Amino acid sequence: NAGVMQNPRHLVRRRGQEARLRCSPMKGHSHVYWYRQLPEEGLKFMVYLQKENIIDESGMPKERFSAEFPKEGPSILRIQQVVRGDSAAYFCASSPLGQGSRGTEAFFGQGTRLTVV
Amino acid sequence: GQNIDQPTEMTATEGAIVQINCTYQTSGFNGLFWYQQHAGEAPTFLSYNVLDGLEEKGRFSSFLSRSKGYSYLLLKELQMKDSASYLCAVRKYNTDKLIFGTGTRLQVFP
Repeated sequence: NAGVMQNPRHLVRRRGQEARLRCSPMKGHSHVYWYRQLPEEGLKFMVYLQKENIIDESGMPKERFSAEFPKEGPSILRIQQVVRGDSAAYFCASSPLGQGSRGTEAFFGQGTRLTVV
Repeated sequence: GQNIDQPTEMTATEGAIVQINCTYQTSGFNGLFWYQQHAGEAPTFLSYNVLDGLEEKGRFSSFLSRSKGYSYLLLKELQMKDSASYLCAVRKYNTDKLIFGTGTRLQVFP
């Protein structure tokens, strides 16, 4: 059972370009979360999705950022017109169930390290 | 809102025991998680507490007191490979997002 798969692992974009980060959850997991981690800082929640639905996007910047989790295929975090401040590690996590009960811990992917030059 | 506090850095000696504390303030608490993260790698799940008390798993144990908004992660028989950041995270009721502290960077010396 493969873990959470993210690609690319490293992504370099020039200012103003678009960045597309992909996340395939673990098999059987229908809940996906995106987190951003700046150097020397903790993980900051961005968005929580289930298939075809955004459940909680309270951590997403209001502009330039969007996320989707289509019926088929991976979840995508899209950043338009990237700026230097978007440089960070972006982690995706998945879990099998919704509300809190034992065994619903989220499993993280290896992350995509975005560098904006 | 929510506030999660952990020490920024700790050091310990190989073979020793270390306790990493985490205090939190949140409404609608629904579980506390500890993750380990090596530099440049993904966080990996260590433990989950939702009821008061101690959960033991091998060399790692985690304790929770909901009335005090307090948890600790206890690492026994420290090994060099335990040098990593340890992240405390709280989950709120009716949501599944985790609110993370900034993490505690642990360095284990020989």
